[in-house]
Amino acid sequence: DTGVSQDPRHKITKRGQNVTFRCDPISEHNRLYWYRQTLGQGPEFLTYFQNEAQLEKSRLLSDRFSAERPKGSFSTLEIQRTEQGDSAMYLCASSFLLGDTIYFGEGSWLTVV
Amino acid sequence: GDSVTQMEGPVTLSEEAFLTINCTYTATGYPSLFWYVQYPGEGLQLLLKATKADDKGSNKGFEATYRKETTSFHLEKGSVQVSDSAVYFCALSGSGGATNKLIFGTGTLLAVQP
Repeated sequence: DTGVSQDPRHKITKRGQNVTFRCDPISEHNRLYWYRQTLGQGPEFLTYFQNEAQLEKSRLLSDRFSAERPKGSFSTLEIQRTEQGDSAMYLCASSFLLGDTIYFGEGSWLTVV
Repeated sequence: GDSVTQMEGPVTLSEEAFLTINCTYTATGYPSLFWYVQYPGEGLQLLLKATKADDKGSNKGFEATYRKETTSFHLEKGSVQVSDSAVYFCALSGSGGATNKLIFGTGTLLAVQP
């Protein structure tokens, strides 16, 4: 059984450009989460999907951020008009049922220059 | 809102020393509690968990007991190894709502020297 996979692992972009990250959850996991982790801090919740429905979004998720999960399988997180403050690691996680263990991917590092 | 407070690091120990990393939480309901570990350059891995008061989670020699009366979930290990060097995160979930989202502490860096 493969774990949660994320792509790309590292992305360097110029301020103002758009970036997109992809997450493939563990097969059959219907709950998918996105978190953001900055240096020296713990991960912070961004958004959550149950199947294809986006059920919760954090106030951290500004209008420049959008997440999708078409067909309830993989998910994408897009950041438009990137700013230097967006530099962080973006973590994807998945679980099967409410209360089950949440498994994390290795993260996608974003550096905005 | 719900929150988690961890002791600040770094914690530097010699191999075979005893480890304690303190974690306390604030929650309105009855959360589940977790310890996650992050090795350099990697994502988070679940180390152990406890879902109700007085439960003890254990894995790889690490232990933590869910103490409702002190709202604590301290991580302990009797004899650390160099390979335990990592960042350890305490987290809670399930206090309210159906999201089951995790709320993390800021992490504690553990450095074990040979």
